[in-house]
Amino acid sequence: EPEVTQTPSHQVTQMGQEVILRCVPISNHLYFYWYRQILGQKVEFLVSFYNNEISEKSEIFDDQFSVERPDGSNFTLKIRSTKLEDSAMYFCASWAAGSHEQFFGPGTRLTVL
Amino acid sequence: SQQGEEDPQALSIQEGENATMNCSYKTSINNLQWYRQNSGRGLVHLILIRSNEREKHSGRLRVTLDTSKKSSSLLITASRAADTASYFCAPYGGATNKLIFGTGTLLAVQP
Repeated sequence: EPEVTQTPSHQVTQMGQEVILRCVPISNHLYFYWYRQILGQKVEFLVSFYNNEISEKSEIFDDQFSVERPDGSNFTLKIRSTKLEDSAMYFCASWAAGSHEQFFGPGTRLTVL
Repeated sequence: SQQGEEDPQALSIQEGENATMNCSYKTSINNLQWYRQNSGRGLVHLILIRSNEREKHSGRLRVTLDTSKKSSSLLITASRAADTASYFCAPYGGATNKLIFGTGTLLAVQP
């Protein structure tokens, strides 16, 4: 069964450093998402991406965040200068048009020290 | 807002018992979806019920939808320890593709 994969599973970084979280969505899906979940809190929407551009973003997704689909298979989330409060689980999801089910990856745990 | 609110926040039952969790929402919807999240893992889609459906079954899952009350329920029958997880509802209005999750129901099934 096709699945969304994410790497790394755990990323530890120093405050102020740049991180790139990687996702490989399901191959025939066209819509891609990043969500995050701070420990003990809700899963929050960050950004959606379609046709090589951002279709919607939340207030959380400020100038420190960017997304890219560099090669037609990977979908990345970059945080330019990490803050302590960026520590969370980051989930990638993808969606095929015609179905409303979003497929989530297993997540990347980001720890900012 | 398309956010659903799950109730109760936590539920503890014995293996073999049924578990019922509820969801309320505020806006019109095209469908409502239920997801499960095992501790520290990603969300797994369980079932989708369309706005013109009142009840749907999938294995040990039974979902109901009452659009007049803007509420849904998820019933897990004959629960197993492996059902221990957080359960979230996601009302989908169609205006945007994003899903908005509430705080979920934390289900603990004791062996």
